[in-house]
Amino acid sequence: AQTVTQSQPEMSVQEAETVTLSCTYDTSESDYYLFWYKQPPSRQMILVIRQEAYKQQNATENRFSVNFQKAAKSFSLKISDSQLGDAAMYFCAYRSQNSGTYKYIFGTGTRLKVLA
Amino acid sequence: DGGITQSPKYLFRKEGQNVTLSCEQNLNHDAMYWYRQDPGQGLRLIYYSQIVNDFQKGDIAEGYSVSREKKESFPLTVTSAQKNPTAFYLCASRADRSPEAFFGQGTRLTVV
Repeated sequence: AQTVTQSQPEMSVQEAETVTLSCTYDTSESDYYLFWYKQPPSRQMILVIRQEAYKQQNATENRFSVNFQKAAKSFSLKISDSQLGDAAMYFCAYRSQNSGTYKYIFGTGTRLKVLA
Repeated sequence: DGGITQSPKYLFRKEGQNVTLSCEQNLNHDAMYWYRQDPGQGLRLIYYSQIVNDFQKGDIAEGYSVSREKKESFPLTVTSAQKNPTAFYLCASRADRSPEAFFGQGTRLTVV
């Protein structure tokens, strides 16, 4: 069975600085998706970024980028120029691309605090 | 506006009573999901459905039931058999052949 591990329960970053959130996963599959979701205090889950396992190029969305290391099964999220609005819980998630396996598996989350 | 609507936002029930959480989407998505969120445990899958009239148990289905009679609706019933029902419940949906899921705003259920 696949698992997703986020080993940092909480992180802090100074406003305008850069922070990296870690995520590792375990799977025997070769085709899958990885995601980072943000959950602000409103508790609405918001998709931040997505990575397809077959793509070697790391995904980027504005200030958010990932470091995808397929062999190491690592998927970290880098937030550049951190803003107060980035404060939230961040969840790493995995989903198989195999037909019939459409479950999303989530890590336990990392709470990010942004200091003014 | 297209989206996923969960209602109500807060729900209180007495122990021993069944309660149904609503999830409606107007995105024309095929797949729908129910997750439970507890502090320090991330999101755990309760049930999911990929098409109308079909659904599968997730990792923590005991004490819960669902139905999928319409594409846009996937209600979750928390039965009296669920030993620790107090939690935050999230509904999600996904378009066919789309990688990502989109979430509703959640329902906080408190059983007293």
